[in-house]
Formats: sequence, structure tokens, C-alpha cells
Amino acid sequence: SYDLTQPPSVSVSPGQTARITCSGDALPKKYAYWYQQKSGQAPVLVIYADTKRPSGIPERFSGSSSGTMATLTISGAQVEDEADYYCYSVDSSGNHWVFGGGTKLTVL
Amino acid sequence: QMQLVQSGPEVKKPGTSVKVSCKASGFTFTTSAIQWVRQARGQRLEWMGWILVGSGNTSYAQKFHERVTITRDMSTSTAYMELNSLRSEDTAMYYCAARWEDSNGNDCDYWGQGTLVTVSS
Repeated sequence: SYDLTQPPSVSVSPGQTARITCSGDALPKKYAYWYQQKSGQAPVLVIYADTKRPSGIPERFSGSSSGTMATLTISGAQVEDEADYYCYSVDSSGNHWVFGGGTKLTVL
Repeated sequence: QMQLVQSGPEVKKPGTSVKVSCKASGFTFTTSAIQWVRQARGQRLEWMGWILVGSGNTSYAQKFHERVTITRDMSTSTAYMELNSLRSEDTAMYYCAARWEDSNGNDCDYWGQGTLVTVSS
């Protein structure tokens, strides 16, 4: 089955730039999506179609994709950005979606 | 105001089935896709499958293919996820999530509050 690989954890100080990567063989041809999940809450979409930001998501969240790697960037991370972040995409058949293993972002 | 309201918590015995509902309001249900995602305590999100509400077409994760059925009732704007042959490893929070495109062509994504399913003898 298809896998998306993320680092288990990323740590930055407030105001620094946090980058979370996601690697997958189908990413050159399929979009990546990114979800933020805070403790005890449902996930929230922060980036879709590699680079687009849904309405209401702060501009400090951005996405990029190159080859087999997609990246979520949080420019000037804030304490309230502490959460688990999951990448999400589809396999090469376009039928089966999958989440990455999640990355715990610590901002302190 | 967008809402996805899921049914309440369930406690089931191993080998039985559970059916979770997800009632939508505040957006056009018929042009959306509804996916089901589960999360065991402290674990990663796990995609189970989705349904294109208008056509009724479904796709399931291979892991659940033999045990899960996702349906919808357009008359009540409700989607359902039924999981059979329950085992203790199925204990998790189950979420429905809707995806649609707004009038500007932007993706919209909204999640239900989650339904805790506990499988225990």
C-alpha cells in the first residue's frame, strides 16, 4: 500500500520558520494536502492542492511541492501553532487516499 | 452555518457491527464528497474511504475493503459508515469530513465532531 513519510517531530522557537516535509512516490503527479490537529480536536485543513490556503487560514502557512517531497512552511511560528500536522494525498491510481504518520510541532 | 453532526458514542462487542451517521447542513450535500477517517488514541489519522454523494460512487482503503460500507441518504443529507466484524483494534474516534468546491473554485473542507467507538467484550 502507498505510504507518505513525515518526520515524527519538529521543534522551533517562536518567530522562527518551521518546515515539515512529506515524501511519497506519487507526489510528482498528485497534490498534497496538510491538516493541523490540536489536542482533542478534529483536524483542520491548512493547505490544499500543494500550495493553496483555505479561507481563514493565516498567511504564515504556505505549501510547496517538488518531485517526491511536499513541504509545509510556517513562517514566524507562534505558540498557538503547536499541533500535530498530517500530510494527505492519493496513490497513483487516484483511488486510495492516505495520511502521513504525522509530525508533532513544538513551538517554545 | 456549516455543520456535520455525527451520532453518539457506541460500545460494541467483538464480531458485531457498528453504523455511524453524519448529518450535513449549511452546504450543498449533493455536490460534496464525504470521507471517513478514524484515529485510535495517540495514533495517526487513518483514511477509511469516501463517497461521492451525487453519484454514490465509493472508494475504500484496502485495509478495510472487506469490512466497511459507506452510504448516503440524499433525502436527509446524511452519510453513513458501517464497519463489520469488529475487533478490539477498531476502538477509535471515527470522523466524517465533507469536501466541496465553493463558487470561486476553492476547496472547502469541514469535519464532524467525531464518534467514539469502543469494542470490548
